[in-house]
This record gives sequence, C-alpha cells and structure tokens, in this order.
Amino acid sequence: AQSVSQHNHHVILSEAASLELGCNYSYGGTVNLFWYVQYPGQHLQLLLKYFSGDPLVKGIKGFEAEFIKSKFSFNLRKPSVQWSDTAEYFCAVNAPRDDKIIFGKGTRLHILP
Amino acid sequence: EAGVTQFPSHSVIEKGQTVTLRCDPISGHDNLYWYRRVMGKEIKFLLHFVKESKQDESGMPNNRFLAERTGGTYSTLKVQPAELEDSGVYFCASSPMEPGLHAYGYTFGSGTRLTVV
Repeated sequence: AQSVSQHNHHVILSEAASLELGCNYSYGGTVNLFWYVQYPGQHLQLLLKYFSGDPLVKGIKGFEAEFIKSKFSFNLRKPSVQWSDTAEYFCAVNAPRDDKIIFGKGTRLHILP
Repeated sequence: EAGVTQFPSHSVIEKGQTVTLRCDPISGHDNLYWYRRVMGKEIKFLLHFVKESKQDESGMPNNRFLAERTGGTYSTLKVQPAELEDSGVYFCASSPMEPGLHAYGYTFGSGTRLTVV
C-alpha cells in the first residue's frame, strides 16, 4: 500500500531562512508527486507537482521540490522564506491513472517576522 | 470561476446526533471526492463520485456515513449517528478530468470542521 512520511510535524523559522521539508513515500511503481499548502482559513492549494521529466520541479511562490527516485523522496525547498509562508504543507502521492491521492500527515510551518 | 464550496465551515454536534455536510463542486466537474482529516492524522480518501454514481467508496469508515450526489451536481455527506471519533475536517474536491487522470486537476474546498462532543 502507498504511504507518505513527512519528517517534521512542526517547523519554526525566521524570515529569510532557508527551508527544506522532507517527504518520503512508499510505493513500488511509478508515482505522481505533489505538495499542497493550506494557508490559515483557506482551502488546500497545489504548490507543485511532478509527473515525469526533470526531477527538479518549480512551483508557485518560489518553492521547488526535487524527486530522487533512488531515495523515494520528494523534498520541498525554498531558499528564503517569508512570513506569508506560514501554513501547513502536505506531501502527497498517487499512482498514475488512480483516483485517490495519498497524503502525509502535514508539516506546520511557522515563520517568525 | 467559483471554486469548490463547502458548508457549513464549522459544525459542533453532540454524540448521537445527525450532521449533513454539503459540497458544491466547480460547475461542470463530473468528478467529486470526499476526504477527511482526523486530528493529527493524514488526510484520507473517503469516496469518489463520477456524476451521480459512486466510483469508489473504499475509504468510507462505516455505515454511519452516507454520501449522495443526486443529479450529479452537489454532494452531501451525512453522518448518523455521529460518534466522537468522527471529529475532524472533511474536505471535498472536484475535477474535470477523464477517468484515471483525476489527480492532475483536483480543486479542493476549504473543508468543514466537524466537532462531535
């Protein structure tokens, strides 16, 4: 069965710090990979996604993620965070042509102004 | 384009009562999904509608949960009777994509926070 593990449940950083949120998944075949973000009071939004091709994926708001197949990882990065990045971040996977998305438990990111 | 709308945004009910959650997908989206997040846990799939038909309901926790999508438009998720462990955030999502490619085009609603006391 597919599963997703996010390394940190709660991360606190100061503005301008660099960010890396870890994500590992468990699945034997080809996967699609996602990072979703939920800002306070808002809906879940897609931050970025990987289906195929270049393993370094760039998303909105300066975020990027790198798919490392050999490590079953899809870590999220941002070189310099802002206070407005305070949110909860979810790593997710699904098998191509499957309807369900499998989510990790989420990482709460709190940026200090 | 209006997004996926869920209401109520919050609901507090007593154990044993009935609650009905509603989701209005983006107009024209045939695919509608329900997910749930219990506190501290993952967001988990509950079920998937294609138009008015249940395509996959493998994630429904038990028969106290009933989902409907009459006419293939909005959907309701009824919990009857509610138990303490049903507390959590219920998310709805919709997608216009063809079968098997749904994850590419998901749009989520803001969720309904259900608290059973």
